[in-house]
Amino acid sequence: AQSVAQPEDQVNVAEGNPLTVKCTYSVSGNPYLFWYVQYPNRGLQFLLKYITGDNLVKGSYGFEAEFNKSQTSFHLKKPSALVSDSALYFCAVRKFNTDKLIFGTGTRLQVFP
Amino acid sequence: NAGVTQTPKFRVLKTGQSMTLLCAQDMNHEYMYWYRQDPGMGLRLIHYSVGEGTTAKGEVPDGYNVSRLKKQNFLLGLESAAPSQTSVYFCAVARTGGEPDTQYFGPGTRLTVL
Repeated sequence: AQSVAQPEDQVNVAEGNPLTVKCTYSVSGNPYLFWYVQYPNRGLQFLLKYITGDNLVKGSYGFEAEFNKSQTSFHLKKPSALVSDSALYFCAVRKFNTDKLIFGTGTRLQVFP
Repeated sequence: NAGVTQTPKFRVLKTGQSMTLLCAQDMNHEYMYWYRQDPGMGLRLIHYSVGEGTTAKGEVPDGYNVSRLKKQNFLLGLESAAPSQTSVYFCAVARTGGEPDTQYFGPGTRLTVL
């Protein structure tokens, strides 16, 4: 079965420190992976995606994600966190041979001043 | 461009009542999706459409119906609302099903069923 897991319900980090939000996946075929962010009372916003090629994907707002095939992971990273990065982050994987995404349960990122 | 809009933003229903949620897009995208978001469960796909006049079931379709009579609109209907349908509903659109395309989301509809 295809799935995506976000093992941390919440991640706390101090402003200016690097942040990592973890995601692992299980898919058939090539993995197509996405990160979305949701600010309070808003819809999801696309951050970045991995389709193929370079394992380090750069996205919006200074975020990047590293695809690791051997560890089946796609962790979201940012070198220096901002208070305004505080939000709910979702990892998603495209279900094999479909046009449907499977979402993780979300990780709440809290950046403290 | 408004992108993806959802109507209404909030709604309170009594058990057994019916309602329709409207998703409208001006992006001219073929694919449209309806999700529900519940605490601790992420987003779950209810129904989706790969083009005008087509619909398909997602992960949690029971209790919902959809229609895509026009390319730009995707309607989600609840015929007889139940408290279990209390949720935040999101519509999303995508350009194509070829290369995995980005889904763009609307702002959501918060529905409470009493």
